[in-house]
Amino acid sequence: AQKITQTQPGMFVQEKEAVTLDCTYDTSDPSYGLFWYKQPSSGEMIFLIYQGSYDQQNATEGRYSLNFQKARKSANLVISASQLGDSAMYFCAMREGLTGGGNKLTFGTGTQLKVEL
Amino acid sequence: GAVVSQHPSRVICKSGTSVKIECRSLDFQATTMFWYRQFPKQSLMLMATSNEGSKATYEQGVEKDKFLINHASLTLSTLTVTSAHPEDSSFYICSASNGVGGRAADEQFFGPGTRLTVL
Repeated sequence: AQKITQTQPGMFVQEKEAVTLDCTYDTSDPSYGLFWYKQPSSGEMIFLIYQGSYDQQNATEGRYSLNFQKARKSANLVISASQLGDSAMYFCAMREGLTGGGNKLTFGTGTQLKVEL
Repeated sequence: GAVVSQHPSRVICKSGTSVKIECRSLDFQATTMFWYRQFPKQSLMLMATSNEGSKATYEQGVEKDKFLINHASLTLSTLTVTSAHPEDSSFYICSASNGVGGRAADEQFFGPGTRLTVL
């Protein structure tokens, strides 16, 4: 069974508009962490935002916010005021277990975002 | 954040040869390193988890005799693709962690990746 599901292979958004990238997850572990990464064409993985399963508030990092709906098991990424430089592949990932960097990440299939003028 | 480097960034080799990829944590000690493979327009797939001084743990379906992983020090892990074939052509990415909790978001740091092409 898929642990991380990203249903949007590709998305288009106009510059300066907001866009939501969907992510749903499946786990029976009460402790987990959810991540979003950006991967431009150069290939490096750029960390954007993190949400812990026990966090009461939605995470925000600048223009990025995470719409965390625990009951629905969704962790959508919202990018506000899109810029041309936001064009990239975006991956949602989950780590089961909250602490310790030794826990592996499971990635979704990604969403290719294209920001247009 | 912490810096992880990979070398080489690109490599082209002939079928049947072996290729070694290095992953280094430059400013922290990495107790755990992860190796991922990514085919074009696909997701990152974890190949193996390596802890310093012990044998790597491979994911199901990954041939440990083909993809040799060594994590001999706290700052270096290597992935050797033995007897490479064209189907091994892929983007290989490592990540490193110091195994410490703290700000969870900082716990895995990714290298820039190595693009392997096997002719």
